[in-house]
Amino acid sequence: DSGVTQTPKHLITATGQRVTLRCSPRSGDLSVYWYQQSLDQGLQFLIQYYNGEERAKGNILERFSAQQFPDLHSELNLSSLELGDSALYFCASSTVPRSDTGELFFGEGSRLTVL
Amino acid sequence: ELKVEQNPLFLSMQEGKNYTIYCNYSTTSDRLYWYRQDPGKSLESLFVLLSNGAVKQEGRLMASLDTKARLSTLHITAAVHDLSATYFCVTTALGGSQGNLIFGKGTKLSVKP
Repeated sequence: DSGVTQTPKHLITATGQRVTLRCSPRSGDLSVYWYQQSLDQGLQFLIQYYNGEERAKGNILERFSAQQFPDLHSELNLSSLELGDSALYFCASSTVPRSDTGELFFGEGSRLTVL
Repeated sequence: ELKVEQNPLFLSMQEGKNYTIYCNYSTTSDRLYWYRQDPGKSLESLFVLLSNGAVKQEGRLMASLDTKARLSTLHITAAVHDLSATYFCVTTALGGSQGNLIFGKGTKLSVKP
């Protein structure tokens, strides 16, 4: 158990809909990262937040947005969903923006299926 | 653009055998990670390699890093079934965001009796 909690574990929805994925980082971790894992694209970095502020952006679509709240939990919002958005979405956390090792701790993921 | 290439992508081994997974990355980086993922599960950090010549061992797995060759290896000794999983070689761009990990495609390892 990495200490990173993600909900829901599974989500099935229809095209055009909007969903919210939630992540609670490890106790004491200020940075939260979102990754997408799909069969065709593999694992891709989406976005990073540190202590409530966006720190880095990766291959995140404009239809997707995220935020980190004062209690440090984070939410990833996916809107106007398309079939291709079906994937496993991981949240990860780490201590300071750049820890000594850069090691990230991943949650169990939220599996999104868009029908 | 930093790219990470692993080979092989699929590996079927018999228990007790040895094998090496290779990882090449395209541009300079100051750190290399190996992660493990069981089917449908989370990613577990196995090794963090931070310097040229770094070698780390945990049980039947040993990882090494050659930054000059931009090569990392994951060596499996006397494989057992419990090692069956997908192994990812991961790095970050030098000077880039720590969290922007660049993953290889993964090596799916199957250890058979």
